[in-house]
Amino acid sequence: KQEVTQIPAALSVPEGENLVLNCSFTDSAIYNLQWFRQDPGKGLTSLLLIQSSQREQTSGRLNASLDKSSGRSTLYIAASQPGDSATYLCAVRTGANSKLTFGKGITLSVRP
Amino acid sequence: ETGVTQTPRHLVMGMTNKKSLKCEQHLGHNAMYWYKQSAKKPLELMFVYSLEERVENNSVPSRFSPECPNSSHLFLHLHTLQPEDSALYLCASSQDSTGWGTEAFFGQGTRLTVV
Repeated sequence: KQEVTQIPAALSVPEGENLVLNCSFTDSAIYNLQWFRQDPGKGLTSLLLIQSSQREQTSGRLNASLDKSSGRSTLYIAASQPGDSATYLCAVRTGANSKLTFGKGITLSVRP
Repeated sequence: ETGVTQTPRHLVMGMTNKKSLKCEQHLGHNAMYWYKQSAKKPLELMFVYSLEERVENNSVPSRFSPECPNSSHLFLHLHTLQPEDSALYLCASSQDSTGWGTEAFFGQGTRLTVV
């Protein structure tokens, strides 16, 4: 059974810092991995999708990497801003019916 | 705006009520999903529909009844719920339900409170 872990559960950093959010998964036989952002009480916004054959994806100040063999992904946020404050969720897609298994998320707070 | 719209955004219902959650997508996707998000827990997949056919049902109690009349619409019918069913219910869609290359898009969710 696939399990996704995101540690720590919460993170607080000053504005301007570069930071790394970690995600680990137990079953390396994944189809792809997706990073989402969730603002309080809202739905999920897709940030980056990495296929299992890819090593990284970039979008603006965000860069996500994937190391399937070690069961890890990282989301790198450059020059963090208060507007980046949100919960960041990692999800891996496994199984014939494309089931997404989610971590509990990392709640990020960027202090002005 | 992700292209996936859920209504209502908030719902308070008694344990004896019957209500329905609605999800609509105009992204041309063939697969739609219901997820439950409770406090301090990871998102839990409830149902998967592919081409209007239910392909997965994750041991969800029968008081939750999904309906997918066409590939653009998904409903979750609720009846005789319990207070522990209070959660954020999220709908998602993807191009198809097979594993390769599919990106999931989520709606804003319905915040359900059962009193």
